[in-house]
Formats: sequence, C-alpha cells, structure tokens
Amino acid sequence: RKEVEQDPGPFNVPEGATVAFNCTYSNSASQSFFWYRQDCRKEPKLLMSVYSSGNEDGRFTAQLNRASQYISLLIRDSKLSDSATYLCVVNPEGGYQKVTFGTGTKLQVIP
Amino acid sequence: EPEVTQTPSHQVTQMGQEVILRCVPISNHLYFYWYRQILGQKVEFLVSFYNNEISEKSEIFDDQFSVERPDGSNFTLKIRSTKLEDSAMYFCASSEVGAEAFFGQGTRLTVV
Repeated sequence: RKEVEQDPGPFNVPEGATVAFNCTYSNSASQSFFWYRQDCRKEPKLLMSVYSSGNEDGRFTAQLNRASQYISLLIRDSKLSDSATYLCVVNPEGGYQKVTFGTGTKLQVIP
Repeated sequence: EPEVTQTPSHQVTQMGQEVILRCVPISNHLYFYWYRQILGQKVEFLVSFYNNEISEKSEIFDDQFSVERPDGSNFTLKIRSTKLEDSAMYFCASSEVGAEAFFGQGTRLTVV
C-alpha cells in the first residue's frame, strides 16, 4: 500500500456541483493532515488542515477517519476557479517535517 | 501578506555543473524546507532545516545536495554536480514551529 494514495482523476464536474475526494494513508500513527491545492505549474497552496473533529471553511469541508485511515475533502457549489489539483499531505510525526504528498486529484469544473 | 520568495524562477544548467537555488523564507518562520516536483509527478520532500542544521532529510537528499543559511534571511540549496534527472521544480517552504508550511513559487531547474 502506498504511503499516501489518491485517485488521480480527472474529476470533471459542472459548476454548482458537489464533489468529494478521498485520500488513504498507510501509517496508522500519522498525526497531521492537510489539503493543498496546486494550479498547473504553480506552487502548492494550503487549503486547509484536517482535524480529528472535522472542519469546514466556507464551501470546503475536510474530515478525518482514523479507523479507516483516510481523509476526505468535500467541495460544495463548485466554481470554475476550483479547477486545480488537490494534494493530500500526511505527516507521520506531527508538525510539518518529512511530510508525504499524495500524487494529487485533478478537478476540472465545467461551465 | 508575507511570502516565501525564490530565485531564479528558471535555471538552465549543463550536466555536471553546480547550481545554487535561493530562497528567502518568511521572516518569523523557524523551519525551512526544500521539496522537488518532477514534471507530472508528486511533490517530494528533500530536507528540513531548523536552528541552523538539518533536522530531517529524505533518501533523495544525497551527498550531491547541501543546504545553507548563509545569513539571516537566505536559505540555499546547492546541487554539486547536476544530473539530467535533477531536472524538476524545486520549492522552498517555511513554517512556524508545528504549523503549516508556506511554499515559494518554485525554481524550474532544467539540466541539459
């Protein structure tokens, strides 16, 4: 099993749709989880951290399921500007050192 | 808004040459990182740096790589003798202790 695994997509969704991505991780002791977005040939930008209790930021909701070792990202009311690659980032040790990135899930929002 | 800045944005070098990639982290951050992303592949951790020394490094970060904080603001990555497979986007990042990292815009290194 890969350390961090994501469906590469692409997910092609119409504007206004709700879309969800999952990311599985292999190390059950992992402590920190993040979602980043990366536009083509640009740097990754933090979208949100993922907390055990789940967290929401506007149209974005992140959840952590430790028992099944996955994190999820839900995007409601998709906008054209949401088109990007979404990277799942896991740190087995807490903090931000030696994190492992997933390969990313590509989202294309269609007018 | 403070940001991590990297120079140059694009570097072309001949195989076997040394390159130095430069980064200015966010001023109050204490952790600094280098990552690389080969075109079409995932972002890979190279090294983290704290308190003027390497705190973690990956298996990619071999003897050909070194990092330095030559003064109070710059953080550099040196590749001693570049190989074709070193061609990638190199991202510098910085963070406060225990917090999320913020990435620079990257340096695209092309080894020919």
